[in-house]
Amino acid sequence: EEQLVQSGAEVKKPGESLKISCQGSGYLFGTYWIGWVRQRPGEGLEWVGSIYPTDLETRYSPSFEGQVIISSDKSLSSAYLQWNSLKTSDTGIYYCGRRRVGYGAPVDLWGQGTLGTVSS
Amino acid sequence: TVLTQSPATLSVSPGEGVTLSCRASQNIYTYLAWYQQKPGQAPRLVISRGSTRANDVPARFSGSGSGTEFTLTITSLQSEDAGVYYCQQFNRWPWTFGQGTKVEIK
Repeated sequence: EEQLVQSGAEVKKPGESLKISCQGSGYLFGTYWIGWVRQRPGEGLEWVGSIYPTDLETRYSPSFEGQVIISSDKSLSSAYLQWNSLKTSDTGIYYCGRRRVGYGAPVDLWGQGTLGTVSS
Repeated sequence: TVLTQSPATLSVSPGEGVTLSCRASQNIYTYLAWYQQKPGQAPRLVISRGSTRANDVPARFSGSGSGTEFTLTITSLQSEDAGVYYCQQFNRWPWTFGQGTKVEIK
């Protein structure tokens, strides 16, 4: 079965660091892009950025550039999203999803989401 | 690329049909997907490339449109179709989502 499994919920204080993970199984991990999507409480979906595990090409949406770091370890079939200094506004559910290589491909497989709460 | 969805909310009786709209601020050809999100769940792909149903999506779901105007139609709405529907464009980086249309069952 193809699936993406994300790490568990986290509670952090402002200024702390955090790294969440997304592990793929049941498919060739390195042949798909992995994207990260934020959903703040009660709000819609925002694309954070994407990484291609085979060559580590990474792209960030302008709103998230410099705010987060996306990485991947193909040997572990995993992708990561990290913050070095959290803000309360980073609170939300973060989903990972895979996209086939090729123009216009949608996210066809999603992780279950990781809730990150940043509060003093 | 800004995607504008309408209406914000739809309240429909079971068995009725609904049409959701997604308008793009520039030409995105057919590089548009629709997702369904139920409370407490991750999004689920419903339609890709404007009109291609994803695996295991019932035939009552259909997508159409190209350029800047797109629609998602659900014929004979079922109770399990309740949720928020988002469109997303993959034509120009950064990928963007519409704000969502909530479909409620009366």
